[in-house]
Amino acid sequence: DAGVTQSPTHLIKTRGQQVTLRCSPKSGHDTVSWYQQALGQGPQFIFQYYEEEERQRGNFPDRFSGHQYPNYSSELNVNALLLGDSALYLCASSFSGNTIYFGEGSWLTVV
Amino acid sequence: KNEVEQSPQNLTAQEEEFITINCSYSVGISALHWLQQHPGGGIVSLFMLSSGKKKHGRLIATINIQEKHSSLHITASHPRDSAVYICAVGTDKLIFGTGTRLQVFP
Repeated sequence: DAGVTQSPTHLIKTRGQQVTLRCSPKSGHDTVSWYQQALGQGPQFIFQYYEEEERQRGNFPDRFSGHQYPNYSSELNVNALLLGDSALYLCASSFSGNTIYFGEGSWLTVV
Repeated sequence: KNEVEQSPQNLTAQEEEFITINCSYSVGISALHWLQQHPGGGIVSLFMLSSGKKKHGRLIATINIQEKHSSLHITASHPRDSAVYICAVGTDKLIFGTGTRLQVFP
């Protein structure tokens, strides 16, 4: 069982560009959450997807958007990148509020 | 004040020492998680608790709902335990503490 997989693992973007990060949840998991972790900080909740709908959202601007596909995989899109968007983006999956599994994360650097 | 506070922020130990990391929270919770994060970034879930105590190998986690406090204990610590240990509360939307950086030396 592959667990949660994220891609890409590392990427560098320029200010103003757009980025798409991808996540495949653990087999059998239907809920996907995205977190942003700035260097030296704890992760911050961005949003959660369930049944292809955004179920909850944290305190992030509309530049951050997402999608969940029928196979439960998910994307995180960030538009008009700012230097402050540089962070580790973590995807987590779960099923029915049980143990949460995290991916290895995508390291985004905005220059 | 953060909703989830951990102490200590940094912890250095000698191999075989007994280690305790504490977590206090100020919000009502349905579950508390102890997580481990290595320098590469990936997070591993160690425990999910809603009451009492759980044990897995050398790791023990306890929670006191009335006092809004949880502890993670590591018995007979080993250098491979070196990592950041994070307390988080919630089920769907996790609120994280800032973590405890543990270094265990041989």
